[in-house]
Amino acid sequence: AQSVTQLDSQVPVFEEAPVELRCNYSSSVSVYLFWYVQYPNQGLQLLLKYLSGSTLVESINGFEAEFNKSQTSFHLRKPSVHISDTAEYFCAVSTWMDSSYKLIFGSGTRLLVRP
Amino acid sequence: NAGVTQTPKFRVLKTGQSMTLLCAQDMNHEYMYWYRQDPGMGLRLIHYSVGEGTTAKGEVPDGYNVSRLKKQNFLLGLESAAPSQTSVYFCASSRSSYEQYFGPGTRLTVT
Repeated sequence: AQSVTQLDSQVPVFEEAPVELRCNYSSSVSVYLFWYVQYPNQGLQLLLKYLSGSTLVESINGFEAEFNKSQTSFHLRKPSVHISDTAEYFCAVSTWMDSSYKLIFGSGTRLLVRP
Repeated sequence: NAGVTQTPKFRVLKTGQSMTLLCAQDMNHEYMYWYRQDPGMGLRLIHYSVGEGTTAKGEVPDGYNVSRLKKQNFLLGLESAAPSQTSVYFCASSRSSYEQYFGPGTRLTVT
């Protein structure tokens, strides 16, 4: 069965420092990959996605993620974080199962940006 | 567009009570989903629907029922609530195999 592993449950970092949130998935077949962000007491918002083409994808607020097929990884990075980036980040894989696509989520990484 | 809306936002139930959570989307999406979110466990799929009049079980369906009588609405029912069903419930919808759009969530406490 497909699974998604987010290795860090919490990542504390100082403002303006770089950050990497790690995500690995188990499938060897074609997948679609996503990062969602959840701000406190809100729903999930799509941050970025990989469907096909360039393995490096970017979001409008400076995050990027690179699809690495050989390492089955989709790590999220930002070169300089802001206080407002404090949130929980979920990696997800879309996979075909039981006649439809399903999203399989990792357990989440809480990014805590300190001044 | 309102996107995906959920009612109610908060609810407290006593063990054994029943309730229905309503999800509505105005994007004409075929697919709709119900998830529960528990600390350290990410989101787990309860039930889903691939179109009006269809429903199917997800990863954790026990204790829940769903109905999709209209394309824009997806209802999640708890017939006899248990403390283990204390959670935050999210509804989502999607047009295809790509990204899902999430509602703001319903925080349910069962005492």
